Amino acid sequence: AQKITQTQPGMFVQEKEAVTLDCTYDTSDPSYGLFWYKQPSSGEMIFLIYQGSYDQQNATEGRYSLNFQKARKSANLVISASQLGDSAMYFCAMTSLEGGGADGLTFGKGTHLIIQP
Amino acid sequence: DVKVTQSSRYLVKRTGEKVFLECVQDMDHENMFWYRQDPGLGLRLIYFSYDVKMKEKGDIPEGYSVSREKKERFSLILESASTNQTSMYLCASSLEEGAVNEQFFGPGTRLTVL
Repeated sequence: AQKITQTQPGMFVQEKEAVTLDCTYDTSDPSYGLFWYKQPSSGEMIFLIYQGSYDQQNATEGRYSLNFQKARKSANLVISASQLGDSAMYFCAMTSLEGGGADGLTFGKGTHLIIQP
Repeated sequence: DVKVTQSSRYLVKRTGEKVFLECVQDMDHENMFWYRQDPGLGLRLIYFSYDVKMKEKGDIPEGYSVSREKKERFSLILESASTNQTSMYLCASSLEEGAVNEQFFGPGTRLTVL
């Protein structure tokens, strides 16, 4: 069984500051993938970034980076230079790669990020 | 652009009714998924399918069934709707098995069971 824990239900951050959203995970699978999704108030789920457990380097996508610490089982999302449009719910998720990557995702409960001007 | 569409944004049904939620994707994706989202609980996987006529139970399949007769369409069925099935339902799709791919989500259906 897999489990994702997001310990920050809500966060307030000043515009232009960097933000770190915490995510820890638990799994017995030797091979797995980690995802971050953003859900604005409009409701759509937007894929942000992916990290495979076998990847040697931390993933980056524009202003998003994933701080992957395998020994600590953490996969924190870092948003550099936050913008007002970053205000949203953020979900950490994982999937086992043992089944070929076709399995569903296990999600955390989410962090509600609010960027203040 | 990948497009995942869901038949309704809002749906109101009565207890005991049979409810069909439809999902269609237009990018020839093999894998399709149904989740429900509840405040404070995140998204939870109900069922998924990696091929036509194939289905796998997710974490919370009780009270639900699914149908995938065509590759592009994945239906979620509530055989006898109950009030505890009031929720936001999200459909997603992803590319083939054997490669880790992001899941593309539909806009969601907010179902209220009275």
